[in-house]
Amino acid sequence: RKEVEQDPGPFNVPEGATVAFNCTYSNSASQSFFWYRQDCRKEPKLLMSVYSSGNEDGRFTAQLNRASQYISLLIRDSKLSDSATYLCVVFNAGNNRKLIWGLGTSLAVNP
Amino acid sequence: DAGVIQSPRHEVTEMGQEVTLRCKPISGHDYLFWYRQTMMRGLELLIYFNNNVPIDDSGMPEDRFSAKMPNASFSTLKIQPSEPRDSAVYFCASSPRTGVSYEQYFGPGTRLTVT
Repeated sequence: RKEVEQDPGPFNVPEGATVAFNCTYSNSASQSFFWYRQDCRKEPKLLMSVYSSGNEDGRFTAQLNRASQYISLLIRDSKLSDSATYLCVVFNAGNNRKLIWGLGTSLAVNP
Repeated sequence: DAGVIQSPRHEVTEMGQEVTLRCKPISGHDYLFWYRQTMMRGLELLIYFNNNVPIDDSGMPEDRFSAKMPNASFSTLKIQPSEPRDSAVYFCASSPRTGVSYEQYFGPGTRLTVT
């Protein structure tokens, strides 16, 4: 089983739709969680960190469920520019201080 | 401030040739990471450095791969001899620290094709 698992998609949604991605992680000792965004043929960039209490940044909301070991990303009022791959990332300070990356979920927002 | 700089952006080489990828991290960042990305395996950490010292190279596939960081502003990843299965995008990333608030800044990547 992979340490971080994501539904690869693709998710095809119309503009203005709300879409949610989930990500599960296997190591219960994981401490920090992030969502990165990667545009086609570009480098990954940090979208947002995920805090225990949940956090929101504009149209984006991230949630953490430690009991079930998953994190989620909700995108409201999706835009064409949201089309990208969203990477779930988990950090465990005990794992020699490395980030563990999911394979990503592909999102296509259609006009 | 310039971001992470990588060169070359594209590299096409024949099997058996030596390949050297270069990276200049963001000034002042203490950590430097080398990743490989393929469709099948996603983003894999190959090695990372802290203050120019290799900390974890467990992701380096085999002895054909080597990485160096002779100073705070330069690192290389070398593949010798290269094989077709090494074809991938290689990213270099740097970070000011490792901790709860953790952001890695990636370079544009080197797209390597080994024929």
